Amino acid sequence: EIVLTQSPGTLSLSPGERATLSCRASQSVSSRNFAWYQQNPGHAPSLLIYGASNRATGVPDRFSGSGSGTDFTLTISRLEPEDFAVYFCQQYGSSPPTFGQGTKVEIK
Amino acid sequence: QVQLQESGPGLVKPSQTLSLTCTVSGGSISSGNYYWTWIRQHPGKGLEWIGYIYYSGSTYYKPSLKSRVSMSVDTSKNRFSLKLNSVTAADTALYYCAREGSNGEFDHWGQGTLVTVSS
Repeated sequence: EIVLTQSPGTLSLSPGERATLSCRASQSVSSRNFAWYQQNPGHAPSLLIYGASNRATGVPDRFSGSGSGTDFTLTISRLEPEDFAVYFCQQYGSSPPTFGQGTKVEIK
Repeated sequence: QVQLQESGPGLVKPSQTLSLTCTVSGGSISSGNYYWTWIRQHPGKGLEWIGYIYYSGSTYYKPSLKSRVSMSVDTSKNRFSLKLNSVTAADTALYYCAREGSNGEFDHWGQGTLVTVSS
């Protein structure tokens, strides 16, 4: 199965700063089959980005996704207080679907 | 708005069978456009896909869990279920049901239910 490795494990930033989260796949993944999720404490993950760069319904435009092949990036242009959470990447082009281990974005 | 809700025992004894049900509201499980999925999250850890079921009853399970997993669907009650047998402490986790959308992403999730395996 495809292993997804996220970096960094924890990102300490202040509100208003830019966040850049990375996800590297152990083998090439179609951009069509790549997603990002946000998880707040005590809540289920929620879909942020699908198809590597498409925002899910209701997701603010400060969130953007990019990448192809084995390297994908989630960017949050200006952190809002509600953005401090854990973010997971996921691929679904090769079965079974797999997730990264998560990046925690915490308030500095 | 589609909503999913897990239900089932929160405590299961080792070697027994974990059984959970996910009830779907706000949309039909028989719409045909989606796969209905179970995902788990070990405490403080990442997410693990367990498998999916289609409204027709066809299934696909994670190979490493395949020997212990079964899923079923009840379209008349708009719900689907998970059974995981021969559980151990390693199966203690938050179990989520989710809908796999047309592009393969998980676009709707239940709130999750914690299942603890302990005697």
